[in-house]
Parts: sequence; C-alpha cells; structure tokens
Amino acid sequence: DIQMTQSPSSLSASVGDRVTITCRASQSISSYLNWYQQKPGKAPKLLIYAASSLQSGVPSRFSGSESGTDFTLTISSLQPEDFATYYCQQTYSTPQTFGQGTKVEIK
Amino acid sequence: EVQLLESGGGLVQPGGSLRLSCEATGFTFPDYAMGWVRQAPGKGLEWVAGISGTGAGTYYADSVKGRFTISRDNSKNTLYLQVNSLRAEDTAVYYCAKDTKNTLSLGGRGYFDYWGQGTLVTVSS
Repeated sequence: DIQMTQSPSSLSASVGDRVTITCRASQSISSYLNWYQQKPGKAPKLLIYAASSLQSGVPSRFSGSESGTDFTLTISSLQPEDFATYYCQQTYSTPQTFGQGTKVEIK
Repeated sequence: EVQLLESGGGLVQPGGSLRLSCEATGFTFPDYAMGWVRQAPGKGLEWVAGISGTGAGTYYADSVKGRFTISRDNSKNTLYLQVNSLRAEDTAVYYCAKDTKNTLSLGGRGYFDYWGQGTLVTVSS
C-alpha cells in the first residue's frame, strides 16, 4: 500500500499568514493527489485535485504543487474560515490512502 | 443538486453486523464509482472501500477485507456497506462519497467531489 506522510501534524498561525502543508508519498503517484479541508463535525470538502487543480468555488488563496513524490498545499493568506484540518489523498492505486491530517489552529 | 444521505448506523455489540446505506440524488448514479470513508473519534480519515459504477469492481482496505462488503443498487440509486464481525476499532463515522470516475481500476485516479453527512457506528458491549 502507498503511505502518505503529512507534515506538520499541526501548526499555529495568524490571520494573513502564508501556510504550507506537505504530503510525501512512499512511491510515485504521478499527480493523483487530492487535498481536502475538514471542519469539526462536518464532512470533508475538496479543495485541490490532481495535485494543482483548484476545485470550483474554492478561493484562489488555496494552491497545490508537486515535486516528485512531495506535494504541497499552500494557503497564501490565512483567513478565519481556514482554521480546520487538512488531508491529502492518493488515488493512484487501491487501496486509496489519506495522510494523517494537519490541524491548522489560531495563534 | 447532488445529495448523499447515509443511514443505518447505530450501537452494536462486538461481533455484530450492520448494513449502512447511502441514497444518492442529483446525478446519474450508475455513471460514477462510489466509496466509503470512515473517521474514528478524534482521528483522521481512512478509506474503507470503493465500487465501480456498474458494481463489477470492488476494492477494500486491508483492515476490513473479508468482513465488510460494498455493493450498490443502481435501480434504487443506493450504495451499501455490509459490516460484519465488528470490532471496537471499527467505531467511527462512516461517510459515503461520490467519485469523479466510473471505474476504480488502477486506483481510480479521480477524487471525491461530494460527501454525505456521515453515519455513526459504535461498537461496544
């Protein structure tokens, strides 16, 4: 199975900060990497698909990039509604796997 | 508008069984693969199972293989997850999700664009 390692597991940031979350795959997954946002008590919401494509309706401050087996989610200017937990997911092969999550908290 | 509505969760004793359902509306159900994702209390997301649009292809996480069965009834626009031989570690909110692909061969290579609200399964004596 492909392991997805996210870092950091949590971070504290202020409104307006630039935030970067990384996800590393245990093997090549091409660009089959998605990012989701989850708020407490809610279902996950798709932000980025295919490593760098922005889902319709998602603010442009969210972006994704890749370098080999390393993938990055960047929030260019953190907003109050962005405090949540973020997960990466690979769909290159089954079983599909998620990263362990990154909780973004208010500093 | 796409909607996914799960049901069937509840309290069950270890070794027991449940059938979870997910009723889909707002899209052509047979055209898309579907999946189940669970989240234990305070933990992260875990992909559990997936099924192709026709139902011919089914895939499972190692943690549930042989105990859980995913199926779908395209005439009823409904996805199912039969969960047997339940263990305490199966306690979680179970979400159904719509894939953007029709098949899950080679992993599917799509993404979940819609999710249900989840149904809670609690395994306890």
